[in-house]
Amino acid sequence: NAGVTQTPKFQVLKTGQSMTLQCAQDMNHEYMSWYRQDPGMGLRLIHYSVGAGITDQGEVPNGYNVSRSTTEDFPLRLLSAAPSQTSVYFCASSADRGGFNEQFFGPGTRLTVL
Amino acid sequence: LAKTTQPISMDSYEGQEVNITCSHNNIATNDYITWYQQFPSQGPRFIIQGYKTKVTNEVASLFIPADRKSSTLSLPRVSLSDTAVYYCLVGAPYGGSQGNLIFGKGTKLSVKP
Repeated sequence: NAGVTQTPKFQVLKTGQSMTLQCAQDMNHEYMSWYRQDPGMGLRLIHYSVGAGITDQGEVPNGYNVSRSTTEDFPLRLLSAAPSQTSVYFCASSADRGGFNEQFFGPGTRLTVL
Repeated sequence: LAKTTQPISMDSYEGQEVNITCSHNNIATNDYITWYQQFPSQGPRFIIQGYKTKVTNEVASLFIPADRKSSTLSLPRVSLSDTAVYYCLVGAPYGGSQGNLIFGKGTKLSVKP
C-alpha cells in the first residue's frame, strides 16, 4: 500500500492563479481531510469528507474548494491564490472503527504564493 | 469542539521518561483523546488514543483521570529520535458530532544526549 499520496511536493504560484492539490489514498478509508500548517503553528482543518459525495467545512475553508467523487481521491482547489495561502498542506485519511480514529497523513505539499 | 492546552516546549535527556500533560477542561462525553507526533517536513503520525483510564501500546502510555479534563502522554526512555512536536487532540471521531479533530500548537520535545 502506498498509503496517502500527495502531488505536487512543491509549488510556486503567482497571486490570482488557481491550482489543484491532489490527494489519494489506497486504504479504502471513508474519511479524508485537508489541513494547512503555517510556520510554528499546528495544523488547521480546511475541509473534510466523510464519504464519496459528502464534504464539509473545517476551521479555515475560505479560498478553498473540495469535492469527493471517489473514495480514493480528495482534491483541494485554490480558486485565486493569495500570499496568505502560502503554507504546507497535508492530506489525511482514516477509517471509522466505531470510535477509534487514526488519521494517516500524506507527506505534504509546500505551496508558495508570490 | 474542545480546546487543548499543552506546554509549548520541553527538554529531556536520553534514557529519561517524559510526561507531557494536556488540559482539556471542556471535553465532551463523546470526545476521545488522541496524540500525534510530527517530525520536521513530515506529516503527523498517530501515537495513541484513549477515552478513559490508561492505554498502553508499544510506543507510549496515555493516562486519563476520571474527570477526563486532562491527559498525560508518557514516553518511556526517550532517545534522540523522539525529538519532535507532540500534539494533543480532543474530539469525536468521524461519525460523531462534527467529525474532526483540532490540532493545537503542540509541544516541542527536545531530547539531548
